Amino acid sequence: DTEVTQTPKHLVMGMTNKKSLKCEQHMGHRAMYWYKQKAKKPPELMFVYSYEKLSINESVPSRFSPECPNSSLLNLHLHALQPEDSALYLCASSQERGNYGYTFGSGTRLTVV
Amino acid sequence: GESVGLHLPTLSVQEGDNSIINCAYSNSASDYFIWYKQESGKGPQFIIDIRSNMDKRQGQRVTVLLNKTVKHLSLQIAATQPGDSAVYFCAENPGYSGNTPLVFGKGTRLSVIA
Repeated sequence: DTEVTQTPKHLVMGMTNKKSLKCEQHMGHRAMYWYKQKAKKPPELMFVYSYEKLSINESVPSRFSPECPNSSLLNLHLHALQPEDSALYLCASSQERGNYGYTFGSGTRLTVV
Repeated sequence: GESVGLHLPTLSVQEGDNSIINCAYSNSASDYFIWYKQESGKGPQFIIDIRSNMDKRQGQRVTVLLNKTVKHLSLQIAATQPGDSAVYFCAENPGYSGNTPLVFGKGTRLSVIA
């Protein structure tokens, strides 16, 4: 298995809702990442997990809460989001942190209404 | 030709021609570079990478060139096909311990004219 699987593919949520994005990989990668991508922009890093521990939080608002239950799974819990948080949320993984290519999932297209 | 405006830079090429997509990076300590292809509605897809101890690397129909002197990276696609139409991002690892995450460039949209 050489894929990163993200669910759901599309999500519409209200500003008072709580939802979660899920990401799964079975490549034995020990680093996992959340990126946010707005239209016509490059992906922007949100969080980095290394060996299931949070190692980087790029000053992301607390309404985004990451979780890494095990080495194969990465979640992003969403609560009280704003319309400007609407974007494509991408999960990626790499063998480890360092000079390794990242494998990206297809993303979750999030719309906050 | 290539145009830069309020939106993504766009490169339009005829099918069968070669494409060259350029990327400038700013961090002289960057030691690892990757080109990604992103099609509409999909995540970025790894194309080819290069480490700073090399200046050229070839893959299937693609070549990456690295000029560390002027901090410039390019992706050459031979015999461009309609399926190559996508946004292409360069990404760099800003180096030091190698533990810094990839940073993406602004991206270039490649449009292939059949």
